[in-house]
Amino acid sequence: RKEVEQDPGPFNVPEGATVAFNCTYSNSASQSFFWYRQDCRKEPKLLMSVYSSGNEDGRFTAQLNRASQYISLLIRDSKLSDSATYLCVVNGNMLTFGGGTRLMVKP
Amino acid sequence: NAGVTQTPKFQVLKTGQSMTLQCAQDMNHNSMYWYRQDPGMGLRLIYYSASEGTTDKGEVPNGYNVSRLNKREFSLRLESAAPSQTSVYFCASSERPSGGANEQFFGPGTRLTVL
Repeated sequence: RKEVEQDPGPFNVPEGATVAFNCTYSNSASQSFFWYRQDCRKEPKLLMSVYSSGNEDGRFTAQLNRASQYISLLIRDSKLSDSATYLCVVNGNMLTFGGGTRLMVKP
Repeated sequence: NAGVTQTPKFQVLKTGQSMTLQCAQDMNHNSMYWYRQDPGMGLRLIYYSASEGTTDKGEVPNGYNVSRLNKREFSLRLESAAPSQTSVYFCASSERPSGGANEQFFGPGTRLTVL
C-alpha cells in the first residue's frame, strides 16, 4: 500500500463548479499536511497547509480527519486557471508525496 | 531572488555514462533535497541534506551520490546511468529540515533520458 494515495483523475469540471479531492495516508504518526499544486511540466508549489481545525484560503478549503487518516481539498467556483495536478503531501520524518490528482476545468 | 535553480534543464545519456545535476538556492536555506518524479509514482526522495556538511539517504538512493558543496549548492551524481533512471529530477530547499510544517521550494526540474 502506498503511504499517500490519491485518485489520479482526471477530474473534468465546467467553470464555476465545485470539486473535491481526497487523499488517504497510512502513517498515523504523520505530523503535518499540505496541498501542493503542479502545473504541466513545471515544479510543485505550495498551495496551502492543512490544519487540524480545517482552513480556508479564498476559494480553497482544506480539511484533515486524523481518525480516518484522510485529507481533503475543496475548490469552489472553479476557474480555467485552476487546471493543474494537486499533490497531497504528508510529513512524518520527511515529506511524502501522493501521485497527484489531475484537474481540468473547461469553459 | 532566483529561488532554486537547476542545470541542465534537459539531458540525454547513454547507458553507462555519468553526469552531475547541479542545484543552487539563494534563499539562505539550511536544508536541500533531491527528488525524482515518475508518472503515477509521485515525487520520491533520493537524498537530502538537513544542513551544510550533512547528507542522508532518502527512499530511492541506489545509483546516486550527492555532494553538499556549501550552503547554497547541492549536486546529484549518476555514476553509471541506467534506463531506469530516466525521470524528471527536482531539487528543493527549505529553511529547516522537514520535521515540521516547513515549506519546500522547488527548482524547475531536469528532464533526463537514459538510452
